[in-house]
Amino acid sequence: DVKVTQSSRYLVKRTGEKVFLECVQDMDHENMFWYRQDPGLGLRLIYFSYDVKMKEKGDIPEGYSVSREKKERFSLILESASTNQTSMYLCASSFPGGRQFFGPGTRLTVL
Amino acid sequence: AQTVTQSQPEMSVQEAETVTLSCTYDTSENNYYLFWYKQPPSRQMILVIRQEAYKQQNATENRFSVNFQKAAKSFSLKISDSQLGDTAMYFCAFSYNTDKLIFGTGTRLQVFP
Repeated sequence: DVKVTQSSRYLVKRTGEKVFLECVQDMDHENMFWYRQDPGLGLRLIYFSYDVKMKEKGDIPEGYSVSREKKERFSLILESASTNQTSMYLCASSFPGGRQFFGPGTRLTVL
Repeated sequence: AQTVTQSQPEMSVQEAETVTLSCTYDTSENNYYLFWYKQPPSRQMILVIRQEAYKQQNATENRFSVNFQKAAKSFSLKISDSQLGDTAMYFCAFSYNTDKLIFGTGTRLQVFP
């Protein structure tokens, strides 16, 4: 079974803190994704990576950055967390042209 | 720009009954893919069904089937013989020419005993 894991299920941070969300997949997928899920807005793509060290901005990249140093790991970074970044963050991975497999999500609260 | 619209924020159905979730999309592309994803409460999102736009035949997966109307840009999901385990958020999604998905806002389905 494909496994996509995320480092935390719940996270509470303070405004201005630097936040790292980690995602690891075990299927050797080339593609990895970070989404943000908010009620009434569905899932919105933050960043997408199609290979190690490669990244592409999604629909809402402002306030976020990403890192992909190894194929299996894709990190989302909030350089200076703000309250409007309180949300559920979902990671996913796939082969090119293949279905996306999702992680369990990280519910981030920024106080 | 491509958009995906789910006009039913919430729906409910009794166990063993049939329910249909609606999805419309907007695109000028001719070849694309459509998906329904399911997100159970506190559990991971999983793919329910996928449809290639070039295929006229509607996709089916056990109790789940779609009604794909390309001209109308409509992609509804029918769940037959609903079960309690079908209770979840359902998201319609679209992709073309890339691996990026565009999601609708979701429909929360509650199955009652």
